[in-house]
Amino acid sequence: GEDVEQSLFLSVREGDSSVINCTYTDSSSTYLYWYKQEPGAGLQLLTYIFSNMDMKQDQRLTVLLNKKDKHLSLRIADTQTGDSAIYFCAESGQAGTALIFGKGTTLSVSS
Amino acid sequence: EPEVTQTPSHQVTQMGQEVILRCVPISNHLYFYWYRQILGQKVEFLVSFYNNEISEKSEIFDDQFSVERPDGSNFTLKIRSTKLEDSAMYFCASSVHEAQPQHFGDGTRLSIL
Repeated sequence: GEDVEQSLFLSVREGDSSVINCTYTDSSSTYLYWYKQEPGAGLQLLTYIFSNMDMKQDQRLTVLLNKKDKHLSLRIADTQTGDSAIYFCAESGQAGTALIFGKGTTLSVSS
Repeated sequence: EPEVTQTPSHQVTQMGQEVILRCVPISNHLYFYWYRQILGQKVEFLVSFYNNEISEKSEIFDDQFSVERPDGSNFTLKIRSTKLEDSAMYFCASSVHEAQPQHFGDGTRLSIL
């Protein structure tokens, strides 16, 4: 079945760039998403990319999509302590509406 | 910015009892969803709802679960006879269209005793 995999932890220093990686199995995905979850909070839509795009930039966030390798990455430039959170990669699966999530990457930013 | 709101934020219920989780989707959105996240596990899709009927559901969404849009603003998830393994964070989401990004609420933490 469809699956999304992410590394579980990433630790960076304030001011560095963070790169969170994700791989997925469903080649028919329409959209791929990044959600952010802060402690005790819900899932905040950070950014998304349509499957016919290679890259999308939104302020400090850059999403790269390699469809051939089914690899998605989220780069956060100038990482701040407020960026500490769990980041979820998700794809819209073959069924069209259900999102399939990865387990989330916990980003820890130290000052 | 409009947001999805969920109530209550935390619900504690005895095993075997019925529970209703409530959601108010974003007002111009037409598609509604429920997901759950068991502690330490992935966020899992339960059900999607459009035009007053279920459009898709997962294997998790068995006969114990039901969804309803009782009025023009609320969207509810009912679990008829709760089990210990229903303990999880339940997220409601909505989108303008089925292929558009889904916006999530803050979730309801359901604890079954």
